[in-house]
Amino acid sequence: AVQLVESGGGLVQPKESLKISCAASGFTFSNAAMYWVRQAPGKGLEWVARIRTKPNNYATYYADSVKGRFTISRDDSKSMVYLQMDNLKTEDTAMYYCTAAVRIPMDAWGQGASVTVSS
Amino acid sequence: DIVMTQSPFSLAVSEGEMVTINCKSSQSLLSSGNQKNYLAWYQQKPGQSPKLLIYYASTRQSGVPDRFIGSGSGTDFTLTISDVQAEDLADYYCLQHYSYHTFGAGTKLELK
Repeated sequence: AVQLVESGGGLVQPKESLKISCAASGFTFSNAAMYWVRQAPGKGLEWVARIRTKPNNYATYYADSVKGRFTISRDDSKSMVYLQMDNLKTEDTAMYYCTAAVRIPMDAWGQGASVTVSS
Repeated sequence: DIVMTQSPFSLAVSEGEMVTINCKSSQSLLSSGNQKNYLAWYQQKPGQSPKLLIYYASTRQSGVPDRFIGSGSGTDFTLTISDVQAEDLADYYCLQHYSYHTFGAGTKLELK
């Protein structure tokens, strides 16, 4: 079965950094574009970042709200995707979901990693 | 950037009723190359991650009950839930993936 498991969330102070991870299994990871989507407490879903596959040069894309501060990366040998978050702001507080394009964009989702940015 | 306008914000229904949720995009989501609309619908129950219901505007994901129907093309899309069940009470979101990705603001389906 397809499985996405996020880890690495936690409480950090403003301007600090945090890296969250997602372990994938149950599908051919190297063939799948990967995404991060977040949801602030009580709010809707917001797409954060996308990374394509090796044939597409691992191209990356970001929401304007995180561009220049967040970096998405992947390690196909480990079936892992990462989100490096720098210069964190209080408005980055959210549940961060790892999602995959197993057959179509965002058809598989993890259970989420909670990130809280507070002083 | 494509803006997705989803309505209504919330909906109170009784079991057995039919409901419709709408999403309007600021530009066409129809690909001229494959004639597919890059529009998906998700269901999110409290405390859970989102679940894909419909993709390419009208194709039901495997395992999704046939009371969930997606329709529309271009800029106007609808999710219809016929014969609403208690288990359908959740938040629903549309997503465009024609150009980058944008979610609608969401619709909360509640019990009347």
